[in-house]
Amino acid sequence: KQEVTQIPAALSVPEGENLVLNCSFTDSAIYNLQWFRQDPGKGLTSLLLIQSSQREQTSGRLNASLDKSSGRSTLYIAASQPGDSATYLCAPNSGYSTLTFGKGTMLLVSP
Amino acid sequence: DAGVTQSPTHLIKTRGQQVTLRCSPKSGHDTVSWYQQALGQGPQFIFQYYEEEERQRGNFPDRFSGHQFPNYSSELNVNALLLGDSALYLCASSYWESSLYGYTFGSGTRLTVV
Repeated sequence: KQEVTQIPAALSVPEGENLVLNCSFTDSAIYNLQWFRQDPGKGLTSLLLIQSSQREQTSGRLNASLDKSSGRSTLYIAASQPGDSATYLCAPNSGYSTLTFGKGTMLLVSP
Repeated sequence: DAGVTQSPTHLIKTRGQQVTLRCSPKSGHDTVSWYQQALGQGPQFIFQYYEEEERQRGNFPDRFSGHQFPNYSSELNVNALLLGDSALYLCASSYWESSLYGYTFGSGTRLTVV
């Protein structure tokens, strides 16, 4: 059974800092891994999708890395902004089955 | 290109009642999954539908049931509602034959049981 842990659980930083959010998962037999953003009470917005054959994926100020063999993924956020405040969730995909989520990292970026 | 559409956005029900939530998948997607997200927790998988059949099921009681229609849209039904069923219910769509494109989520339905 896949289990996902995200560290830290919460993070509060001033605007402009570069951030690192960590995700670890127990079953390395994955097809890909998605990072999502969730604003309070809202649905999930997909940020990045990394295939198991990839090491990194970038979109704007976001960069996600994947080390499948060690069961780890990292989301880097460069030059953080108040609009980045949200909960960030990672979800490994083991194929035709389902996404497994951790509890996420709650990020607060203050002006 | 419309994304995943869920209805209603909010719902208040009384204990013991039944509720139906609806989901229209992203255009081209043929698989629908439902998730329950309690406050402060990550989404928990309920079940997944493809070709109008339940393909996978999480650890949820039989009070939770679903359906998928020929146009790929889906319904989630919950019978005999309990206070603990209060949560955000998320629908996600994807391609069954390919994991290359990931999942697309809707905005969710906030269910409150009183």
